[in-house]
Amino acid sequence: GDSVTQMEGPVTLSEEAFLTINCTYTATGYPSLFWYVQYPGEGLQLLLKATKADDKGSNKGFEATYRKETTSFHLEKGSVQVSDSAVYFCALRGGGATNKLIFGTGTLLAVQP
Amino acid sequence: DTGVSQDPRHKITKRGQNVTFRCDPISEHNRLYWYRQTLGQGPEFLTYFQNEAQLEKSRLLSDRFSAERPKGSFSTLEIQRTEQGDSAMYLCASSLKASANTEAFFGQGTRLTVV
Repeated sequence: GDSVTQMEGPVTLSEEAFLTINCTYTATGYPSLFWYVQYPGEGLQLLLKATKADDKGSNKGFEATYRKETTSFHLEKGSVQVSDSAVYFCALRGGGATNKLIFGTGTLLAVQP
Repeated sequence: DTGVSQDPRHKITKRGQNVTFRCDPISEHNRLYWYRQTLGQGPEFLTYFQNEAQLEKSRLLSDRFSAERPKGSFSTLEIQRTEQGDSAMYLCASSLKASANTEAFFGQGTRLTVV
């Protein structure tokens, strides 16, 4: 079945460092891909998405490119801030009527001043 | 606040008791999803509704779990005879009828602890 694998955390960075969180997926057909973020004490929020190959999703300085050839959707940010500390989830939504989301296990990012 | 709301935010119950959670979706959203998230894991799909019809249930949803969405508005998730393994965060999400660009909006979740 469809699945998502993302790098384990925690990832600890200093402010202004470059961030990459790896995400790869297995899916039949042509899934849509998402990054969700969960700040402490808050619900899941959509960070960015891409719905077809070679699309780049971007938001709040974060970017991810849908790479069909490597089945990847890695999250990047050029300069992280303390306020980016959160848990980041990669997810896919496959075809079919349900349109349910399938999530990775999440990666905790801790940014130190 | 026009987001997805869940009640209660926290619930502690004794093993064997029944619990019920409520989710109020965004008002114009016709799809409603329930997910379960255990510590250190991503959310896992449990079930979803389109309007009042429950259209899919995961194998994770044992016979002790039941969900309803009367009148296609709010939804309830009931767990009967709770077990310690039911301890988790229960998340509700809602969306418009799906397309490739449809976004699902999540509530803050109900954290269940079974002691």
